[in-house]
Amino acid sequence: GENVEQHPSTLSVQEGDSAVIKCTYSDSASNYFPWYKQELGKGPQLIIDIRSNVGEKKDQRIAVTLNKTAKHFSLHITETQPEDSAVYFCAASREYSNYQLIWGAGTKLIIKP
Amino acid sequence: DVKVTQSSRYLVKRTGEKVFLECVQDMDHENMFWYRQDPGLGLRLIYFSYDVKMKEKGDIPEGYSVSREKKERFSLILESASTNQTSMYLCASSSTFAGTYEQYFGPGTRLTVT
Repeated sequence: GENVEQHPSTLSVQEGDSAVIKCTYSDSASNYFPWYKQELGKGPQLIIDIRSNVGEKKDQRIAVTLNKTAKHFSLHITETQPEDSAVYFCAASREYSNYQLIWGAGTKLIIKP
Repeated sequence: DVKVTQSSRYLVKRTGEKVFLECVQDMDHENMFWYRQDPGLGLRLIYFSYDVKMKEKGDIPEGYSVSREKKERFSLILESASTNQTSMYLCASSSTFAGTYEQYFGPGTRLTVT
């Protein structure tokens, strides 16, 4: 069946360093790949997304790369700050609808001061 | 600002009880979702609705039903709660026509079934 694998499950980095979270997906028909951030006590919130016709997208300290051939995509956060501490989820669209997503298991990012 | 509200942040119910979780969005979104969030499993889709009175089963619909009588409201019903339904439940909404697939989430309801 369709699935999205996300690694690592926990990532601890020093403040100011970079963090990378990786996801692989199984459905070659997926063409939309968002990343969501979930802070404690809140619902997930979209931070960046990418569509299959683009290889890379950047928004300030956050970037996402997509390799459609290998069916994997990654989230890069540079110059990490304490407020980056959260759980991050990747997702991939289902074959028949970009409105429905298959979600990764989540990565808990810890920024050490 | 899009706002998705859920009726309760915490809920404790007994096995066998009928449980209603309510979700309301104020942005006139067509699509609404109910997810279940468990550690290590990410978000799993229970039901999806793309219009009033329309619904589609997600990946784990067993033991759940939904109701969407009004566009802004999407209810999740546990017909007979069981301990394996203890979880965090998240509601989300999105627009079909805004040119974006972004889903907006409520804060979640943590349900404990004893």
